[in-house]
Amino acid sequence: AQRVTQPEKLLSVFKGAPVELKCNYSYSGSPELFWYVQYSRQRLQLLLRHISRESIKGFTADLNKGETSFHLKKPFAQEEDSAMYYCALSGAGANNLFFGTGTRLTVIP
Amino acid sequence: GAVVSQHPSRVICKSGTSVKIECRSLDFQATTMFWYRQFPKQSLMLMATSNEGSKATYEQGVEKDKFLINHASLTLSTLTVTSAHPEDSSFYICSAEGPWVKNIQYFGAGTRLSVL
Repeated sequence: AQRVTQPEKLLSVFKGAPVELKCNYSYSGSPELFWYVQYSRQRLQLLLRHISRESIKGFTADLNKGETSFHLKKPFAQEEDSAMYYCALSGAGANNLFFGTGTRLTVIP
Repeated sequence: GAVVSQHPSRVICKSGTSVKIECRSLDFQATTMFWYRQFPKQSLMLMATSNEGSKATYEQGVEKDKFLINHASLTLSTLTVTSAHPEDSSFYICSAEGPWVKNIQYFGAGTRLSVL
């Protein structure tokens, strides 16, 4: 069975500081990993996916199969990054998503 | 583009009544839609996958007779909570898989259901 773990419910960093939101997963095959974000009073939206290998809003995430991790990183946090971040997994050949419990990031001015 | 509309945003009903929630893809066709449930301060839990023209696929532990899903067109899926009870009170969120890139889901704003 698949499982997504986000160990931090809350994370606070100062503006300009690096930020890392942790995500670990368990899945027997080759999953597809995503980060979704929910800004205040907005709906959930895709931030990035591992197969795209791109940087979105300065965020990057690398899939580490050895450590079964997909941590989200940004070198310099901005106030507008404050939001709820969810790591999600989709199984091989599947299109449904399984979410972690989310991490609320607060960037302190 | 890729807007998903969910209606109503909030509903309060009496115990024993049924409530229907609609999920529409406004500017694209969605063969597949998903229904999630979110308890306070918890994650989204996938309830079922809704496929246009066929029966929904329910996740383990989700009562299909309790949560009726209909996906009669490529732009509309509905979730009906039948004979609602207070324990069904929750935040229900739908999403639709976009037609452009596989596995990208676009989310509705959610429906807050309160059963008295």
